[in-house]
Parts: sequence; C-alpha cells; structure tokens
Amino acid sequence: EDKVVQSPLSLVVHEGDTVTLNCSYEVTNFRSLLWYKQEKKAPTFLFMLTSSGIEKKSGRLSSILDKKELFSILNITATQTGDSAIYLCAVVRNNDMRFGAGTRLTVKP
Amino acid sequence: SQTIHQWPATLVQPVGSPLSLECTVEGTSNPNLYWYRQAAGRGLQLLFYSVGIGQISSEVPQNLSASRPQDRQFILSSKKLLLSDSGFYLCAWSGGGTSYEQYFGPGTRLTVT
Repeated sequence: EDKVVQSPLSLVVHEGDTVTLNCSYEVTNFRSLLWYKQEKKAPTFLFMLTSSGIEKKSGRLSSILDKKELFSILNITATQTGDSAIYLCAVVRNNDMRFGAGTRLTVKP
Repeated sequence: SQTIHQWPATLVQPVGSPLSLECTVEGTSNPNLYWYRQAAGRGLQLLFYSVGIGQISSEVPQNLSASRPQDRQFILSSKKLLLSDSGFYLCAWSGGGTSYEQYFGPGTRLTVT
C-alpha cells in the first residue's frame, strides 16, 4: 500500500531557529513530490521536486529530494512567527496525489 | 490567471440530509479536478478526481459521489449525510500532463449534527 510519512508530527521552536521537516514515501508510479503550507484554510504550493539532488530554494525555505532513499526534506532557516503552519508533503502518482499527515510547526517569539 | 471557487464556505447539516458542494475553476481549460477531505488535525484524503467531463475516479468507498457536468465544474454530493462526513472539504485543480502541482480552493467546512 502506498504511504507518505511525515516527521515530526509537531514541532515547537523559537524565532531564529532552523528547522528540518522530513517526508518519506513508498508509492508506485512516482511522478513528483510536492510541499505545501497550510495556515488556516487552503494549502498553498511551495515546491515541486521531480529530480534527485537538485535543491529548490525560495527565500528562507529550501527542499531537496532523494529518489534512491525515497525521502525529501524541507528546511526553514531563521524561522519567523509567520512560518507557523501545517506543512504538508504530497507525492504524485499517475493522476492523483497522496498526502502525508503533515507537520504542525509552531514558531514562538 | 487561474482562480478556483468553492461554496458554501461553511455548512451545518443534520444527519440524513442531502449535500451538494460546488467547485468551479476559471482561467484554464480541461483541468484535472480533485475533491479532498481533511479531518481535524489530519492530512488530506483524496476522495475523487476527474481528468475530463463525465470522468470520475473514486479513491475510497463512501456515501459521497462526484460529478463533472462541465469542463470547469466539479460537484460533490451525498444523498444522506452521516456524522462521519463532517470535515473540511477542499477542491483542487491541476493542469494535467506533467503539471503536477495542484492549487486549492478556499474549502468548505461541513458540520453534520
């Protein structure tokens, strides 16, 4: 059965800390891995990773995919209170996406 | 630019009543469309997806159904709601092909009482 597992499930840090969120997967017909940020309502798209070893970067956020070991990480440096959210990892297979349970990140001032 | 609409934003329905949630997409043609449900504190569960008009794939057996009567319209329905149908329902679209990223609507929070 296809699985997407995120860890940790929740994380509390202070502003300025660096965090690493993990996503491991076992899916058939892997196409791509995506990261989303969900604050109050709809998830917003962060990154799409298709190739191993190529880092995607946007400001203080970065992510990389390892297709051999079947995992991805999302790094956030110099965290801010606005980074508090649920971070969702999703794996695309054929026509649909399988989501992990998410990591709830809380950044305290 | 593309936009995705969902309504209503919130809904409170009694057990056994019918349900109809609507999702429309603007600014794109022939999108892939998706319905997800998110229980409190949990990830997104894919319910249905559609790659074209009248083409619906169901991921999990349940008392919900979906229809795509027009290219950019996706409807989630139930004839009789259960308590377990409560949750946050999200519609999403993607461009299809190798455009894998999905973009989400604002969601509908459904409470079945």
